[in-house]
Amino acid sequence: DAMVIQNPRYQVTQFGKPVTLSCSQTLNHNVMYWYQQKSSQAPKLLFHYYDKDFNNEADTPDNFQSRRPNTSFCFLDIRSPGLGDAAMYLCATSRGYEQYFGPGTRLTVT
Amino acid sequence: GQSLEQPSEVTAVEGAIVQINCTYQTSGFYGLSWYQQHDGGAPTFLSYNALDGLEETGRFSSFLSRSDSYGYLLLQELQMKDSASYFCAVGPTGGGNKLTFGTGTQLKVEL
Repeated sequence: DAMVIQNPRYQVTQFGKPVTLSCSQTLNHNVMYWYQQKSSQAPKLLFHYYDKDFNNEADTPDNFQSRRPNTSFCFLDIRSPGLGDAAMYLCATSRGYEQYFGPGTRLTVT
Repeated sequence: GQSLEQPSEVTAVEGAIVQINCTYQTSGFYGLSWYQQHDGGAPTFLSYNALDGLEETGRFSSFLSRSDSYGYLLLQELQMKDSASYFCAVGPTGGGNKLTFGTGTQLKVEL
């Protein structure tokens, strides 16, 4: 089945230690997104790619970076995680109005 | 900016009908979507209204009125498995099919 895959599902990192979250898709969609979701809150868009064009949200901290080496893969790099960055990170893709979400990576910062 | 308001929590009994409202202050979007998210799970797409009026998909229906800046999701014949969070979202806005999500409504279905 075509899908959006995120690895790992759970990630524990230390305060200030860089961490990378991965997302891959078999849907061949041209748009990919990274969202941050904290408990009982709506997903918050961090950035998205339209093909290789990178679009950063104005309020996304500089601590968050992203790479999309090809259509299928997208990475979220958190350069120096703080306790406030503990959250679920969701990757999504779209071709039209419907977004397809991966299962998410739950990040814990110790 | 864009904002979408939803009730934080709704409780209903199995077999009942429930309506989850979404009011927004935004403009220039293509349509209103609804997503369902179970605890610990990913959001999944439920419906999309590009035009004003009612869209029906099985037990779920969604409504949009642009003149009233208002939409709702109607769930019929509620089942326990419908207990989840429901988010409205407007978009695309701007480029890249961006969505702006509402505050979310937690639906609890009781016996």
